[in-house]
Amino acid sequence: GAGVSQSPSNKVTEKGKDVELRCDPISGHTALYWYRQRLGQGLEFLIYFQGNSAPDKSGLPSDRFSAERTGESVSTLTIQRTQQEDSAVYLCASSFTSGGAGGTQYFGPGTRLLVL
Amino acid sequence: GDSVTQMEGPVTLSEEAFLTINCTYTATGYPSLFWYVQYPGEGLQLLLKATKADDKGSNKGFEATYRKETTSFHLEKGSVQVSDSAVYFCALSTDSWGKLQFGAGTQVVVTP
Repeated sequence: GAGVSQSPSNKVTEKGKDVELRCDPISGHTALYWYRQRLGQGLEFLIYFQGNSAPDKSGLPSDRFSAERTGESVSTLTIQRTQQEDSAVYLCASSFTSGGAGGTQYFGPGTRLLVL
Repeated sequence: GDSVTQMEGPVTLSEEAFLTINCTYTATGYPSLFWYVQYPGEGLQLLLKATKADDKGSNKGFEATYRKETTSFHLEKGSVQVSDSAVYFCALSTDSWGKLQFGAGTQVVVTP
C-alpha cells in the first residue's frame, strides 16, 4: 500500500499569507503526528492526533498554527499570517497505534515551506 | 525537559570504515530510544529501536545498545558502504502517545 503522502511538496508564500499543508496517512493508522524541521535543527513535535481528536497540541508554537483531522484520515495543518520564522520542512507521520508494538511512525516526504 | 544530544556532523569516512555516532539523552522516566535515517531525497525512516535498558536494536548491520547508566544510545556499524550516506537522527519517546523528541541529526558521508 501507499505510504504517508503530503502536499504540496514545496510552498513559497509571502509574509502575512495563510497556508494549508495536507497529510494523507497510511490507511488504518489511528495515530498521526506533525513535526517541523527548521534549517540546521532537529525535528520539533507540533501536534498529535488519535483519530480525529488532538490530545497533545503542546508543540504548536503560536495561535497562528492550527490543525484538524477528518476521522482517521486526512489532516490539515494551517498557518495563518505566516512569518519568515515559519520557514521549515513540515513532516507528517502516522502509526497503527500510539506507542507500543504498533507504534512505529512512518514519515511522509514533507512539505518545504518558504516564507518570503 | 527531555532532550537528545548527538554528535555534530558531517562525519566523513571511507568505505569499510567503522562508524560510531554518539547519542546521549536526558529524560524523566524510562524512554524508548530510536535511530531514524534519512537517505538523500527520501523520507525519514526507522532504522532501529530499543525500549528498555540493555536492549540492543539492530538492522542493516547497524547496532545500538540502550545504556541507562550512561544515558546513551550510540549507533555503530562495523563496515560502512557508500549507500549508508545519509542523515541519522537519534530520538526518544517517553509518553504513551509516542511523541518523539529528536536530536539535531548527524550527516554521514561515505566515500569510495
